[in-house]
Parts: sequence; C-alpha cells; structure tokens
Amino acid sequence: QQPVQSPQAVILREGEDAVINCSSSKALYSVHWYRQKHGEAPVFLMILLKGGEQKGHDKISASFNEKKQQSSLYLTASQLSYSGTYFCGTHNYGQNFVFGPGTRLSVLP
Amino acid sequence: EAGVTQSPTHLIKTRGQQATLRCSPISGHTSVYWYQQALGLGLQFLLWYDEGEERNRGNFPPRFSGRQFPNYSSELNVNALELEDSALYLCASSQQEGRTILTDTQYFGPGTRLTVL
Repeated sequence: QQPVQSPQAVILREGEDAVINCSSSKALYSVHWYRQKHGEAPVFLMILLKGGEQKGHDKISASFNEKKQQSSLYLTASQLSYSGTYFCGTHNYGQNFVFGPGTRLSVLP
Repeated sequence: EAGVTQSPTHLIKTRGQQATLRCSPISGHTSVYWYQQALGLGLQFLLWYDEGEERNRGNFPPRFSGRQFPNYSSELNVNALELEDSALYLCASSQQEGRTILTDTQYFGPGTRLTVL
C-alpha cells in the first residue's frame, strides 16, 4: 500500500523552511527518505525505525511518530541545492517496500 | 570506492522482444534492489535479491524476473516487452543481509533507460 505524501509540490525562497509529510494507514517497520534531482539517481537522506525517533544532519531532519504511521521531513533555512523530488519509502508489516509518489521541492533565489 | 554500476545506459527494443539489464553492486554489498521509474512517475519497487535469493517482489507480472549471481551482481529480465515498460530502471545495493525488512541505506546506480517501440 503506497504511502501518502503531502504536499505534492512546494516552492520556497532561499532561507525558508519546509515540511514534507509521509503517512500510512498501517503501522510501519521503517521509513526511508530519499531526494532525487532531475536526471539523477535518488540519494539517501535517512532511515527511521523506531516510534518517536528523530534524526537529522545539517539542516535536514525527520521524525517518526509514536504510532509509526507518519513521518515528517523538515528542511530548515533551505538552500538552492535542496531542490528536487523527495520520496519517502515505507515497509509495512506483511507488505512490500513501497515509495510514495514524491514531493517536488523548488527553492528559488 | 566504486559505486553501483548499471549496463547498458540505454536500451531500445521493440514490442514483444526481451530485455536484459545488468547491475553490479558496491563491493561488500550483498543485497540488490530493482526499481522502475516511468517518466514523471515515482519509484516502483520491482525485486530484492540477497545472497542469491529473491527476498521480496513488487506488484509486477511474472514476465519481470531476475537473478543474483555468486558475485552479487544481478540481472533483470523483462520478457514480452510492452510499450508501457518504457522507463528508467534503477538498481540499488546495500549491506542488508538475510532479513525480510528493509532497514539499511540503499545506494542507487545511474539507471538503464529502456525504450520500447
């Protein structure tokens, strides 16, 4: 079952913040976040495995709620290099690994 | 350290033919994953191989198949090609071993663009 991502697209000015959400109707084993720039392969950002977990590096962080049904990716003080499509990948209990439809992020100068 | 490599870069086939795509994982990685990314669409999980065995399979027809060799490289075969099989096929590898749940980082290759005419 494909997770739901929101928003579908977001446009920011450099320095602004953004939040991308990924949710499932069922509890998840894991949530993976990747960024893909146009014409390039996806690049790993982070994986969350535990309910209530928060992770981050530089100005990109993510959380996994206690029920393990929702994850949010936080981008603070966005830079031009943050532009791309962000995918969350989820693994449900008894299901296949599946990526969400993606959130297209555009950061303008 | 060399990354994930895929060949060929581009592949053009006609409807009904067979396509074979190849992937070499990062040295030391035993798991290989295959994804389909149609133009403008997201990543669709195809197959996961680990230690030579198929661990998981996405919702694709049986004409999509593959295998993993003793050196952990992998092949994806698509039989009886259809127009809608045209897509970028991405391979990824990780150190994930012997588990059924994806918990490790996947490193993606540059992809093979398959065009079916």
